[in-house]
Amino acid sequence: KAGVTQTPRYLIKTRGQQVTLSCSPISGHRSVSWYQQTPGQGLQFLFEYFSETQRNKGNFPGRFSGRQFSNSRSEMNVSTLELGDSALYLCASSFLKPGLAGAEQYFGPGTRLTVT
Amino acid sequence: SQQGEEDPQALSIQEGENATMNCSYKTSINNLQWYRQNSGRGLVHLILIRSNEREKHSGRLRVTLDTSKKSSSLLITASRAADTASYFCATAYYNQGGKLIFGQGTELSVKP
Repeated sequence: KAGVTQTPRYLIKTRGQQVTLSCSPISGHRSVSWYQQTPGQGLQFLFEYFSETQRNKGNFPGRFSGRQFSNSRSEMNVSTLELGDSALYLCASSFLKPGLAGAEQYFGPGTRLTVT
Repeated sequence: SQQGEEDPQALSIQEGENATMNCSYKTSINNLQWYRQNSGRGLVHLILIRSNEREKHSGRLRVTLDTSKKSSSLLITASRAADTASYFCATAYYNQGGKLIFGQGTELSVKP
């Protein structure tokens, strides 16, 4: 099976702009989660989607949003970019049945976003 | 913050030696997982241990879980230079779907 893919791999944006990142999960995986990784804060959970519904949300401002499509592909959007949004954004998919928690996650290579 | 803590933050050993990393967390968990990350790339799942398990093995990896102390340890035996990476523990909670809370990680350096 193909792994989790993320596009683009690298992105440079200017403060105030918005950005959309894309994630294609492993075939058959319906749960997609997003994480932000920075040297200062480490790995932080952004949100999780399951069957096109946001099931969990981390402690991030409303500028961070996401969605999931019927084919389980997911996008996350960050509006009005700030310098502090510079980070590695990781997408992960899992074969998580409804009602179960914490299956192993398969991570994509990440999108490195730099905000100048 | 729910985030777990790991120690040591950094560990440097010689090839052939064992490496032990520790993780602590704050509230009752469904399971605890360990991941490896090479140089800012994606994470790779290593092992998952459920809250009702005390020890688990996978190849050269041994994970223990002590729910009374809310702690876990990862032991890598006979380390190789290729084991050089950052290692993270992650906790999963009941009724929180696929959400994982990650520790700050241990940076392991294995010198040939």
